[in-house]
Amino acid sequence: SQTIHQWPATLVQPVGSPLSLECTVEGTSNPNLYWYRQAAGRGLQLLFYSVGIGQISSEVPQNLSASRPQDRQFILSSKKLLLSDSGFYLCAWRRQGERRYNSPLHFGNGTRLTVT
Amino acid sequence: QKEVEQNSGPLSVPEGAIASLNCTYSDRGSQSFFWYRQYSGKSPELIMSIYSNGDKEDGRFTAQLNKASQYVSLLIRDSQPSDSATYLCAVNYGQNFVFGPGTRLSVLP
Repeated sequence: SQTIHQWPATLVQPVGSPLSLECTVEGTSNPNLYWYRQAAGRGLQLLFYSVGIGQISSEVPQNLSASRPQDRQFILSSKKLLLSDSGFYLCAWRRQGERRYNSPLHFGNGTRLTVT
Repeated sequence: QKEVEQNSGPLSVPEGAIASLNCTYSDRGSQSFFWYRQYSGKSPELIMSIYSNGDKEDGRFTAQLNKASQYVSLLIRDSQPSDSATYLCAVNYGQNFVFGPGTRLSVLP
């Protein structure tokens, strides 16, 4: 079975500090990978998605970046955090290789980031 | 701009009643539709997917899709207090998924 790991679970960082959140998927190969952010009381905002190693699509221009150094590893980074970066960050994966319209997203447990 | 709309709620129903959650979407090119449940402080978990017009049943849950009206709904029969959560509607556009803001459901004992 497939599992997705995301860490850390919670993080408190000062404004201007760097950020690195990591996500790995087990039990599947060549997944589509996604980073979403959910601000308090708000919906899910797609930040980045990747269909393969080194392939990153950005949905929202901001001070965040993403990388996919390995097939099942997805990293979200920032050089300098802003107060507005606070939120619940969710990594998700989706199976490739099946009929595309049958594949749902599966989420990790999320990282709650508070920028102070 | 692809949009997914939901009533934010809260929707309150008594235990044992049917809860009806609705979702509309803007792009007729959508192929796949999903319902997720999110408990407070937790990540979303998939509860239903639907791809064709009509109804799809899974236990106490029934998803309904009407592509002509660009409308998706979720019915929860025999609602339980453990069903109290936020329900997110998601629409798949190619590689992307657009989520609605969610409807908060409260099932009263």
